[in-house]
Amino acid sequence: KAGVTQTPRYLIKTRGQQVTLSCSPISGHRSVSWYQQTPGQGLQFLFEYFSETQRNKGNFPGRFSGRQFSNSRSEMNVSTLELGDSALYLCASRWGSYTNTEAFFGQGTRLTVV
Amino acid sequence: SQQGEEDPQALSIQEGENATMNCSYKTSINNLQWYRQNSGRGLVHLILIRSNEREKHSGRLRVTLDTSKKSSSLLITASRAADTASYFCATDAHSGGYQKVTFGTGTKLQVIP
Repeated sequence: KAGVTQTPRYLIKTRGQQVTLSCSPISGHRSVSWYQQTPGQGLQFLFEYFSETQRNKGNFPGRFSGRQFSNSRSEMNVSTLELGDSALYLCASRWGSYTNTEAFFGQGTRLTVV
Repeated sequence: SQQGEEDPQALSIQEGENATMNCSYKTSINNLQWYRQNSGRGLVHLILIRSNEREKHSGRLRVTLDTSKKSSSLLITASRAADTASYFCATDAHSGGYQKVTFGTGTKLQVIP
């Protein structure tokens, strides 16, 4: 069974641009969550999608958005990139809708904003 | 301070020794999970302990949960160089009608061969 796949693995963008990151969950998993990890702020929750609906959202500005498709694949978009958006972006998938089940993480997308 | 804070921030031990990491949190939780992260990579799930459980084992890992003190500990016995990684606790709690997972600040473990 393939794991959680995030693409691309590395990305360099210029301030002001926008970026789209992709996450393919484990087959059969319908929940996808996104996290931002930085040395200063640690791991911070961005949002969670289940069956194409956003169920929960962290404290991030509206420049951060996401969506989930009918095949459970999810994309995250960041518009008007800022230097502070440089981070490792991780997505995690779960089988069910409850967080008392194990979350499987992808390897992450390392975004550098210059 | 954040929901889910690990202590110590960094720990360096000799191979074969035991490593203990602690996690404290603030609000009531449904469960608590421990994850491992190798440098700059994805997180690997280690153990999930539910709020009505007090102790759980998985191989060389032992996790305890004390809901009265809002704290958990992760013990790695007979450590190996391959255990070198950052370890995070993650609390799952209801927040604004949703279930929300919050990660702690992490403990960086170095196991010296």
